[in-house]
Amino acid sequence: EAQVTQNPRYLITVTGKKLTVTCSQNMNHEYMSWYRQDPGLGLRQIYYSMNVEVTDKGDVPEGYKVSRKEKRNFPLILESPSPNQTSLYFCASSAEQGATNEQYFGPGTRLTVT
Amino acid sequence: GENVEQHPSTLSVQEGDSAVIKCTYSDSASNYFPWYKQELGKRPQLIIDIRSNVGEKKDQRIAVTLNKTAKHFSLHITETQPEDSAVYFCAATLNTGNQFYFGTGTSLTVIP
Repeated sequence: EAQVTQNPRYLITVTGKKLTVTCSQNMNHEYMSWYRQDPGLGLRQIYYSMNVEVTDKGDVPEGYKVSRKEKRNFPLILESPSPNQTSLYFCASSAEQGATNEQYFGPGTRLTVT
Repeated sequence: GENVEQHPSTLSVQEGDSAVIKCTYSDSASNYFPWYKQELGKRPQLIIDIRSNVGEKKDQRIAVTLNKTAKHFSLHITETQPEDSAVYFCAATLNTGNQFYFGTGTSLTVIP
């Protein structure tokens, strides 16, 4: 089954404790992105990647890191989480440009930083 | 960067009526405009999209129109049903890139 998976789905942590949210897709997609969703603000892109070892900042990259060492994986790293990073996070992937740009979203990770 | 504005933020319609959600964008270089539907507790899913070389696109009860001159695009849902109740997001991007800009969402409620 074609899908985007994220882990963990729920996470409660404390300020300053490094964490990683994993994202994996099995569709051989070149493009992957991370978004955060906050009430009234919609979806805001954090980072995106157009290929292995190629990553770019989105609209709200501060406080986040990503890596793309393999095509299928695109982990999101919070080196020192703060309460303002409490949010719902979505990973997404899409195929090569020129075809459809449809993004396939993962199930989401609800993060709470206390 | 691109700025996408979406209105209204909430919309209630009677079952069977039509619903219209409007978005404007600022960057005239944007050329791909998708619409996503997000049901409560679920992930966003693409429902329809339009590219800048097309003025209108239909898929059964949903349609999207694009006015490049005015830089706005709209989602039209006809004969609404309770299962259309969800949050709808518009977005804009360049076809050659992967940087997406989303609107702030419209919560649509269809009243039976």
